[in-house]
Amino acid sequence: GENVEQHPSTLSVQEGDSAVIKCTYSDSASNYFPWYKQELGKRPQLIIDIRSNVGEKKDQRIAVTLNKTAKHFSLHITETQPEDSAVYFCAAPGGNYKLTFGKGTLLTVNP
Amino acid sequence: NAGVTQTPKFRVLKTGQSMTLLCAQDMNHEYMYWYRQDPGMGLRLIHYSVGEGTTAKGEVPDGYNVSRLKKQNFLLGLESAAPSQTSVYFCASSYRDHQPQHFGDGTRLSIL
Repeated sequence: GENVEQHPSTLSVQEGDSAVIKCTYSDSASNYFPWYKQELGKRPQLIIDIRSNVGEKKDQRIAVTLNKTAKHFSLHITETQPEDSAVYFCAAPGGNYKLTFGKGTLLTVNP
Repeated sequence: NAGVTQTPKFRVLKTGQSMTLLCAQDMNHEYMYWYRQDPGMGLRLIHYSVGEGTTAKGEVPDGYNVSRLKKQNFLLGLESAAPSQTSVYFCASSYRDHQPQHFGDGTRLSIL
């Protein structure tokens, strides 16, 4: 099955700085890579996803990059704000029909 | 649309008791999933379903059973609860595989 590793496990930045979270995956056939944000006590919510036919996707301050050769993808958040503080999860297809999630990154944005 | 609704939101059980967690979605999604979330472990898949009447095992299925008798509902059962099953349980659904998964608000389950 798919193995997804996520780093770092915790990340602390100053407001306005950029944050980068990286995930690696093992199955070269994987073709869909979502990122979820989970605020404390809330449900995970999709914030951005990318498919293997593109190398980068942006949505305002959030971007995801994909390197299929190296089998890694990264979440980039620019101009961080306190409301960006949350746990972020990456995921990759874990075989047919399902996703394998990384263990999460706790992002803290300090005012 | 309510999206994905989970009941109950909280529950405390004694070891050996049984219970059923209910997940309902109103988005006409084919695929439904049950995850458990434990500190530092991310989201781990318990069971999933790719359509009405189908179920399949995920990463951590032991001690749990599921049923998908209706397309909109996915039930997770604990036949004999154990303290190791203390966790937050999330249900999710998606239109099909490799599509965004929509999560419910979770059920916080404590087993004493």
